[in-house]
Amino acid sequence: AQKVTQAQTEISVVEKEDVTLDCVYETRDTTYYLFWYKQPPSGELVFLIRRNSFDEQNEISGRYSWNFQKSTSSFNFTITASQVVDSAVYFCALSDVNAGNNRKLIWGLGTSLAVNP
Amino acid sequence: KAGVTQTPRYLIKTRGQQVTLSCSPISGHRSVSWYQQTPGQGLQFLFEYFSETQRNKGNFPGRFSGRQFSNSRSEMNVSTLELGDSALYLCASSFLGAEKLFFGSGTQLSVL
Repeated sequence: AQKVTQAQTEISVVEKEDVTLDCVYETRDTTYYLFWYKQPPSGELVFLIRRNSFDEQNEISGRYSWNFQKSTSSFNFTITASQVVDSAVYFCALSDVNAGNNRKLIWGLGTSLAVNP
Repeated sequence: KAGVTQTPRYLIKTRGQQVTLSCSPISGHRSVSWYQQTPGQGLQFLFEYFSETQRNKGNFPGRFSGRQFSNSRSEMNVSTLELGDSALYLCASSFLGAEKLFFGSGTQLSVL
């Protein structure tokens, strides 16, 4: 069965520190997608990135970077030079692929990140 | 472009009552998914609708139901409410499926 584990429940850092959020997944699918979403206090989940299982290239977007390693079933997320506005709950998710485009997401329990000034 | 709109934002009900939540997706999006979020269980998939048809369903009892209208707006209904149904209910829309979901701010349901 598919499963997503975010072992870090809460992380607290001081502004400008780098922080890495861990995500480990389990799946028997050979084709799947991994996602990261951010949930600020307002409650609305915001899409950050999608990565398919055939693309292990690391990705960088501004202060955000993602490290996908199939060998360890991990898809970790790093924020460089964190800012107070990065404070949120971050979720890692895995697609549960059914026929065609029918998919649902399996979510980790989230990591609550607090960036203190 | 307007985002995903969920109404109402907050609801307080008592056990045994029923409730209907509404979701208006982003214009042009045909897929609407519903998720339940609780502190203990996290985000759990309820169901997904695409062009008025339910394509996927999560592991929730039959008290949880939904539908989608021809304009892609969706409603979910919970009958015979239980205390454990207290949660944030999130609606997400996308063009095809789960390739990139756009979420609403949710409906916070409290069952007393």
